[in-house]
Amino acid sequence: SQELEQSPQSLIVQEGKNLTINCTSSKTLYGLYWYKQKYGEGLIFLMMLQKGGEEKSHEKITAKLDEKKQQSSLHITASQPSHAGIYLCGADPWGNNRLAFGKGNQVVVIP
Amino acid sequence: ETGVTQSPTHLIKTRGQQVTLRCSSQSGHNTVSWYQQALGQGPQFIFQYYREEENGRGNFPPRFSGLQFPNYSSELNVNALELDDSALYLCASSPIPGLAGTADTQYFGPGTRLTVL
Repeated sequence: SQELEQSPQSLIVQEGKNLTINCTSSKTLYGLYWYKQKYGEGLIFLMMLQKGGEEKSHEKITAKLDEKKQQSSLHITASQPSHAGIYLCGADPWGNNRLAFGKGNQVVVIP
Repeated sequence: ETGVTQSPTHLIKTRGQQVTLRCSSQSGHNTVSWYQQALGQGPQFIFQYYREEENGRGNFPPRFSGLQFPNYSSELNVNALELDDSALYLCASSPIPGLAGTADTQYFGPGTRLTVL
């Protein structure tokens, strides 16, 4: 089965600082998804990566998928309180839209 | 464009009871997937519905069942509730059914928080 490990489990950053969180897979990733979740709420889609070496950016968030397609990182530049939440990476092991998720990275941004 | 909606928002049940959760998919999406998210964990895939039939199932017992209707909305039914069924239940929709070799973004609803006492 697909296992995703996210690190660090939680981090606290000062507003304006950059941060990076990681997602490592036990198997080659077919599709890698990043979602953001406010506590107890639904998942908000951020980005999907499919190709080795792919990099996507949206506003101040950049996600990368390594060449081997087993590790992804998500980088936030100049963090703001609105970036606080739980970031979940999800994998599509067989390309059939049945996602397996990691446990999440909890991000706290201190004003 | 209407997003994914779920009802109810919160629900409290007792052990042994049955519950039905509802989901309306995003406009234009014909595939619905259900996930269970326990506290502090990532969502776990329960099952997926396409064209009113189950199209894949995760490691959940038969007392978890579902339906999809002609308008692509869906229900999740759980019988004989157990304490461990307490979780956030998430519904996600996508425009394609997850045919092997394809992948498309799933859009999630706000979830239903189920508490079993």
